[in-house]
Amino acid sequence: EDKVVQSPLSLVVHEGDTVTLNCSYEVTNFRSLLWYKQEKKAPTFLFMLTSSGIEKKSGRLSSILDKKELSSILNITATQTGDSAIYLCAVVTGGGADGLTFGKGTHLIIQP
Amino acid sequence: NAGVTQTPKFQVLKTGQSMTLQCAQDMNHNSMYWYRQDPGMGLRLIYYSASEGTTDKGEVPNGYNVSRLNKREFSLRLESAAPSQTSVYFCASSEALLRGTFGSGTRLTVV
Repeated sequence: EDKVVQSPLSLVVHEGDTVTLNCSYEVTNFRSLLWYKQEKKAPTFLFMLTSSGIEKKSGRLSSILDKKELSSILNITATQTGDSAIYLCAVVTGGGADGLTFGKGTHLIIQP
Repeated sequence: NAGVTQTPKFQVLKTGQSMTLQCAQDMNHNSMYWYRQDPGMGLRLIYYSASEGTTDKGEVPNGYNVSRLNKREFSLRLESAAPSQTSVYFCASSEALLRGTFGSGTRLTVV
C-alpha cells in the first residue's frame, strides 16, 4: 500500500521565521511528487518534482526531492501571515489506483 | 476561466437519503477524480476516471458510485447516505496525472 507521511502535522511560528516541512513516501512506481497549499478551499498547486527536476524555487518557497531518502522538503523563508495554510504533499504513481496519494498535511500558522 | 466547478457547495442530508455531487471541467483534461477530505486524514481518493467512459475505484469507494457522463463531467452519487460520509468532497481534473486542478469543494453533513 502506498504511503505518504508529512511532518510536523502542525507548526506555529512567528512572522519572519524560516520553516521546513517534511514529506516522506513509500510507494511503488514513483513518478512525481507534488506540493499544494490549501487555504480555505481547494488545494492550489505549488511545485512538481520528478527524477529529472529535483529542486524547484519560487520566491520565498523552495522544494527539494531526495530520491535516495524517498523524501522531500518544502522551505519557506521570511514567512508572512499569508503563508498560513495547510501544506499538502502528494505522490503520483503509475499503480493501479491512478491518481495522487496524499499525506495528511502540515497545518502551518504564522503569528504576527 | 472556470477550471473545475463543483455543485453544490454545501449540503445536509438525513441518513438514508441519496444525492449526486456534480463536477465539470473546462480544461479538456482526460482524467478526473473524486476525493474526500476528513480532519487528520488528508485527501483520500474515492474514484477516478482516466478517460471518458472509464471509471475505477480508489482507496475508499464503498458507499459511492460515479458516472463519467462525457469528457467534461464526472458525478459522484451517494445512494444511501451515512454519517460516516460527512466530509468535504473535492473533484479534480488533470492531464497525464500531473498537477491536478481542484474544485472548490462540497461540504456534506449527514445527520
